[in-house]
Amino acid sequence: GAVVSQHPSWVICKSGTSVKIECRSLDFQATTMFWYRQFPKQSLMLMATSNEGSKATYEQGVEKDKFLINHASLTLSTLTVTSAHPEDSSFYICSARGAPQRTDTQYFGPGTRLTVL
Amino acid sequence: DAKTTQPTSMDCAEGRAANLPCNHSTISGNEYVYWYRQIHSQGPQYIIHGLKNNETNEMASLIITEDRKSSTLILPHATLRDTAVYYCIAKTSYDKVIFGPGTSLSVIP
Repeated sequence: GAVVSQHPSWVICKSGTSVKIECRSLDFQATTMFWYRQFPKQSLMLMATSNEGSKATYEQGVEKDKFLINHASLTLSTLTVTSAHPEDSSFYICSARGAPQRTDTQYFGPGTRLTVL
Repeated sequence: DAKTTQPTSMDCAEGRAANLPCNHSTISGNEYVYWYRQIHSQGPQYIIHGLKNNETNEMASLIITEDRKSSTLILPHATLRDTAVYYCIAKTSYDKVIFGPGTSLSVIP
C-alpha cells in the first residue's frame, strides 16, 4: 500500500517549452501533495505544498508563475514547468499524504528527471 | 521542526547490522522521529517513525533514547541494496518533510 506514481519518469525538452509532470496516489486519497526538486549531489528541496481543491503554497524563492501546480482531485496533482530553461533541469519528486489512516506519513513518488536543452 | 544532526557518511559490512545515529536534542514533545532513505536516482522511501517507544517493522528498528534527544536506526542485516542516503527528520504529524543532508551509508561486500 501507499504507492505514489509519477509520469513521465524522464523527459527532455527544448528551452522555452512547457512540461507537465503528473503525480498520482494509487491506493489512497491524498489530501495533501508536495513537490520537491533535487539537483545533483544535493538534498531534496521542498518547492510547494498543495491541498486538494486549494491553491498551492510555495516555498520562499520558488516562482509560482513558473511552476504551476494543480491538485484537482484526491489522487492527482500536476506540476507544469512553464517556459523551461536549462537551469530548470533537475530531478522533480512528488509526495503525498493521505487520509484517514495515513495522515502522518508522506510517501514519495519515484521522481521525474527533466533535462532542458 | 527540531533540527537533527547525522554523520555525513558511514560504512557497513554486508550481512552485519547497520546502526545509523541521529541527534535531535531540541525535539518537542509532539514531534516524531521519521526515517527515510533515498537510493541513488530514486524517490525517498519511508522506513519507520516513532514518538518515544522503540519501533520495529519489516525494514528496520528504531531505538529512541528515554530523553528523546537521540535515536538509532538499525538495519539488522545490511545488504548491498541498502546502500543509500538515510534521512532522520523530527517533525509533528502534520508538518511537511524537510530534508537535511542525511547519512550516506555504503554497504561493503
